[in-house]
Amino acid sequence: VQLVQSGAEVKKPGASVKVSCKASGYSFTGDFIHWVRQAPGQGLEWMGWINPDRGDTNYGQKFQGRVTLTKDTSISTAYMELSRLTSDDTAVYFCARAEFYSGSSGYYYHYWGQGTQVTVSS
Amino acid sequence: DIQMTQSPSSLSASVGDRVTITCRTSRNIYNFLNWYQQKPGKAPKLLIYAASTLQSGVPSRFSGSGSGTDFTLTISSLQPDDSATYFCQESYFSPPDDIFGPGTTVDI
Repeated sequence: VQLVQSGAEVKKPGASVKVSCKASGYSFTGDFIHWVRQAPGQGLEWMGWINPDRGDTNYGQKFQGRVTLTKDTSISTAYMELSRLTSDDTAVYFCARAEFYSGSSGYYYHYWGQGTQVTVSS
Repeated sequence: DIQMTQSPSSLSASVGDRVTITCRTSRNIYNFLNWYQQKPGKAPKLLIYAASTLQSGVPSRFSGSGSGTDFTLTISSLQPDDSATYFCQESYFSPPDDIFGPGTTVDI
């Protein structure tokens, strides 16, 4: 199982960024993909999830209206687009496969992408 | 919204020490709690899921316990490779939002 993310990005304030996450080694439509970010020296911040099967999404309150999660099932790839970037969006962005506990609605992240550095600077 | 805290925020210990990290949640999450280890420049690594189940391949010196609102991660005999930041994560509430604890940095 692998999640391979796109490369580092440098963006100007006000721009948008789109990060990809290509899955392999398992059924892409079988598990949700979540996105998590980590600002320099900070903790982990949950952004949202996408169901690669049906395409439905859910976003964290902080990111509502600025983040869009999409997928292309034909190439087993999920995307995270963040708009109206500010310097506070400088962070490493991770995708992660959410797997359910056996017989439960709880989930954990065993497989992660390698992370994509997004730098917002004028 | 759920609030998650971890204590201590950082600690320094010696090789062979027993180390305990606590994660507390503001609401009952039963056993829907996972623990991760993260080293600089790397993605988090799953250690424990469902509060106490050791992920395959993780050394047995790591263990988790707790339920409800209070959880602990224990390293029974600290090793040099355990120098890292440890995060707890809840997976009970839907939709998710602030699901991660703030982290505990362990220095050897």
